Amino acid sequence: DSGVTQTPKHLITATGQRVTLRCSPRSGDLSVYWYQQSLDQGLQFLIQYYNGEERAKGNILERFSAQQFPDLHSELNLSSLELGDSALYFCASSVDVLNSPLHFGNGTRLTVT
Amino acid sequence: DQQVKQNSPSLSVQEGRISILNCDYTNSMFDYFLWYKKYPAEGPTFLISISSIKDKNEDGRFTVFLNKSAKHLSLHIVPSQPGDSAVYFCAAIANGNEKLTFGTGTRLTIIP
Repeated sequence: DSGVTQTPKHLITATGQRVTLRCSPRSGDLSVYWYQQSLDQGLQFLIQYYNGEERAKGNILERFSAQQFPDLHSELNLSSLELGDSALYFCASSVDVLNSPLHFGNGTRLTVT
Repeated sequence: DQQVKQNSPSLSVQEGRISILNCDYTNSMFDYFLWYKKYPAEGPTFLISISSIKDKNEDGRFTVFLNKSAKHLSLHIVPSQPGDSAVYFCAAIANGNEKLTFGTGTRLTIIP
């Protein structure tokens, strides 16, 4: 158990809809990262927050947004969903910003039909 | 542009033998490298890391080797055990950049 909790585990929704994925980091971790893993692909970095502030942005679509709340949990919002957004979405957390191993949650599997 | 490449999507190794997983990178700014292991229906878990100031790091059955001139690193598992069957991701980070860049993974199967 990594200590990172992601909900829900599975999500099935239709194109055009909006969903929210939730992540609770490990106790004491200030950094939260979001990654997307599509079929047969590596983990693509989406966005990172540190202590409530956006720290780094990767290949995140404009239809996607995220935030980290004062209690350090994070939400990833995906809107105007398309079939190609179907993927595993992982949240990870770390205690420091640089060179700290990330601890991953078990992911949310999103299926857009 | 895939900056971290794992060219072998899969690898099968006999139990007890050595497993060697390879990873190549293109970004010369990468200075810290990590290996993650992933079981089905679970998130990746950190396995071992190496800084660019070293060329080898060992932790039990796992050893990571870094060849900076070739921009290549490898993970050696010896002896391989059935529980090592998983997908292994290589990842890299550049100094001053918090973004961890992952390879596409290699599925390792240990044959009993």
